[in-house]
Amino acid sequence: EAGVAQSPRYKIIEKRQSVAFWCNPISGHATLYWYQQILGQGPKLLIQFQNNGVVDDSQLPKDRFSAERLKGVDSTLKIQPAKLEDSAVYLCASSLGGAGNQPQHFGDGTRLSIL
Amino acid sequence: AQSVAQPEDQVNVAEGNPLTVKCTYSVSGNPYLFWYVQYPNRGLQFLLKYITGDNLVKGSYGFEAEFNKSQTSFHLKKPSALVSDSALYFCAVRDARPSNTGKLIFGQGTTLQVKP
Repeated sequence: EAGVAQSPRYKIIEKRQSVAFWCNPISGHATLYWYQQILGQGPKLLIQFQNNGVVDDSQLPKDRFSAERLKGVDSTLKIQPAKLEDSAVYLCASSLGGAGNQPQHFGDGTRLSIL
Repeated sequence: AQSVAQPEDQVNVAEGNPLTVKCTYSVSGNPYLFWYVQYPNRGLQFLLKYITGDNLVKGSYGFEAEFNKSQTSFHLKKPSALVSDSALYFCAVRDARPSNTGKLIFGQGTTLQVKP
């Protein structure tokens, strides 16, 4: 089966600019996650969708970050305006279910560098 | 609150020797436990999970992990290390209670270096 697709793989922007990331989960996976992975740390959940509804966005900096999954499939994560501390890898993952015992499957991520 | 500790930033082992990567956790309810591996410039790959049942779980690429409830540990093991096992390993925990959203909490990661 095709894995989780993410684009772009790399992005370099200046602070205060905006940026968007795209994710296409594994077909049939109802749950989609966006993580932020800062160098030297484990991934931190930003937002979790179940179909097109938000399940958990408690750690999403809502003053600058937004995410949507309009048709319950693809998702976009946006940062506007970007800050230097947003430099990280943004990982998208999907799973069959949300609160169960299903493992999450990860894309290769988007590496964001803020100048 | 959930948390995961991986006490070693790096583990070094010679090829052919057994390896152990340590993980301890804290959750309010029963845990669901996972191990993932990350190669450079790649996403995380699922290795194995503990949900319930046998404390020793087997996963991909010859890896296994032992769940120890009294010590709240879930150490990753492999009887004979390969150079190709060199990567970054993450332990993760999720609270199994139905009220939990399924949020995974990851450890800081342990770099495994296997030398020929």
